[in-house]
Amino acid sequence: NAGVTQTPKFQVLKTGQSMTLQCAQDMNHEYMSWYRQDPGMGLRLIHYSVGAGITDQGEVPNGYNVSRSTTEDFPLRLLSAAPSQTSVYFCASRTLAYSTNEKLFFGSGTQLSVL
Amino acid sequence: GQQLNQSPQSMFIQEGEDVSMNCTSSSIFNTWLWYKQEPGEGPVLLIALYKAGELTSNGRLTAQFGITRKDSFLNISASIPSDVGIYFCAGGTRGAQKLVFGQGTRLTINP
Repeated sequence: NAGVTQTPKFQVLKTGQSMTLQCAQDMNHEYMSWYRQDPGMGLRLIHYSVGAGITDQGEVPNGYNVSRSTTEDFPLRLLSAAPSQTSVYFCASRTLAYSTNEKLFFGSGTQLSVL
Repeated sequence: GQQLNQSPQSMFIQEGEDVSMNCTSSSIFNTWLWYKQEPGEGPVLLIALYKAGELTSNGRLTAQFGITRKDSFLNISASIPSDVGIYFCAGGTRGAQKLVFGQGTRLTINP
């Protein structure tokens, strides 16, 4: 059971380049989300989805796009990378079942540097 | 928006010492979670708390859901080298579909 899988592990971009961070989960979780982690800031929610075809903005959505065409996949797109997007990105998923509602499972992260 | 204040930001302790950290908020939460993150990995859930006043243990770890529902505490007893990492608290509001995370407490242990 792989859990939440993120690719790539590391990425370096030049300002203005675009790229997609991939996230896949095999736990049949309805809920998927993207966080960014910056020193001293904790984890901040970028976008989330409660099911295929449904996405919503989190705390820091600007500069990022998402889509959810399947239950398993939730890619995060940077259309025009900026140095301020240098961060570690985590994908996380969970069931929407009430009894375990808030228990998020995280991937191992993507370390992104924008030069 | 909702914010969590986690303290201390970092701790440097000797192996065998007990550790205490806490999170406070100006908002009420229905759920408090504690996560641990090791280098190069994502956070892993340690303890989940669902009721005000609840005290839950996981081995040497004990966490409490504050009576006011605006705070939570995590204690680690008799620390060992593998306890090193960053500990995050997170608060959840039923139906809000979002967790709010604290800034993290970085724990360093001197052998």
